[in-house]
Amino acid sequence: DAMVIQNPRYQVTQFGKPVTLSCSQTLNHNVMYWYQQKSSQAPKLLFHYYDKDFNNEADTPDNFQSRRPNTSFCFLDIRSPGLGDAAMYLCATSISRGNQPQHFGDGTRLSIL
Amino acid sequence: AQKVTQAQTEISVVEKEDVTLDCVYETRDTTYYLFWYKQPPSGELVFLIRRNSFDEQNEISGRYSWNFQKSTSSFNFTITASQVVDSAVYFCALSEGLTNYGQNFVFGPGTRLSVLP
Repeated sequence: DAMVIQNPRYQVTQFGKPVTLSCSQTLNHNVMYWYQQKSSQAPKLLFHYYDKDFNNEADTPDNFQSRRPNTSFCFLDIRSPGLGDAAMYLCATSISRGNQPQHFGDGTRLSIL
Repeated sequence: AQKVTQAQTEISVVEKEDVTLDCVYETRDTTYYLFWYKQPPSGELVFLIRRNSFDEQNEISGRYSWNFQKSTSSFNFTITASQVVDSAVYFCALSEGLTNYGQNFVFGPGTRLSVLP
């Protein structure tokens, strides 16, 4: 049974049109992460939530925002997608930060027209 | 700054061969954690193993084994008697735990393993 669920699996949006990707978890983990992964590259951490505490990576563009309304759900909002934002977006969870394994969803592949 | 190097970009082997994936890391911390993840073509990253910096014991899990050597800052992964289902991209990752800004968890560039029938 999937424990980290990402919807949709594939998302197509237009250049400049806001888009939201969603992630839910059944693990009751405290931490939720969003990664961006471009073709043939390693995942790159965008930000994470430790409970309700939001932690942004220093080089994450302002165009990317996130919301975590409750323990189970976390959203990635891209305010004005550019062509360079086309990528796989991976959501992950862990019990706590730092040394705990992260559990990943299947990802959402975002295409920009 | 922490860094993870996986020098092998792609490896191809024939089924039943053994294969070793290399991982070399850099960190200034004395306490850190190393991970291996598998990413099959379906896209989901699957956790394989975690090792902390104070535990240099090698580990074996079925056909998988890991060799952690602090002296060479390496955490290599060996698959014995490889199978077609082992074909995936394998990522080594390093975590120094919390920093003052964000989560310090870095992936290496990955090694794409193709196991041919």
